[in-house]
Amino acid sequence: EPEVTQTPSHQVTQMGQEVILRCVPISNHLYFYWYRQILGQKVEFLVSFYNNEISEKSEIFDDQFSVERPDGSNFTLKIRSTKLEDSAMYFCASRGDRLNTEAFFGQGTRLTVV
Amino acid sequence: GQNIDQPTEMTATEGAIVQINCTYQTSGFNGLFWYQQHAGEAPTFLSYNVLDGLEEKGRFSSFLSRSKGYSYLLLKELQMKDSASYLCAVMDSNYQLIWGAGTKLIIKP
Repeated sequence: EPEVTQTPSHQVTQMGQEVILRCVPISNHLYFYWYRQILGQKVEFLVSFYNNEISEKSEIFDDQFSVERPDGSNFTLKIRSTKLEDSAMYFCASRGDRLNTEAFFGQGTRLTVV
Repeated sequence: GQNIDQPTEMTATEGAIVQINCTYQTSGFNGLFWYQQHAGEAPTFLSYNVLDGLEEKGRFSSFLSRSKGYSYLLLKELQMKDSASYLCAVMDSNYQLIWGAGTKLIIKP
């Protein structure tokens, strides 16, 4: 069964450092997403990506964040100058088309900023 | 604003039935999803409703009333492994998922 894969599974970084979270969406999917979930809190939408550009982003997704699809398979989330409050699980998801019912989630990257 | 409400926590007994409610107010509606999430893991898809009525899938059923902005997830013959958080999410007019805070379901023997 096709799956979304994320690396690393756990990343520890010092405050102020930059991190890149990596995702490989399902190969024939067209819509890609990043979500964040702070421990014990709700899943929060960060950004959606389609046709090599951001299609939608939330208030959380400020200049500190950027996304890229550097090649045909990877989808990355870069967080510059990390802050303690960036510590969370970051989930990547992909969907085959806009109305496809199921978004497939990766297993997440647990980011810990110390 | 956009809002999705569901109970924070529910407790049920193994073998019993539990209903988890979700009410929503969103900018447009393109369907309602239920996801299951075990602690520290990614959400996994359970169901999708876009038309009014009941969708049944094994032990799990999901109901939708668009006029009332209401859905429920019904879990039958509860098993210990059903202990998890259940997330209600609505796809709005921009095709973005708006998430509820989740209902933590505790199953007792």
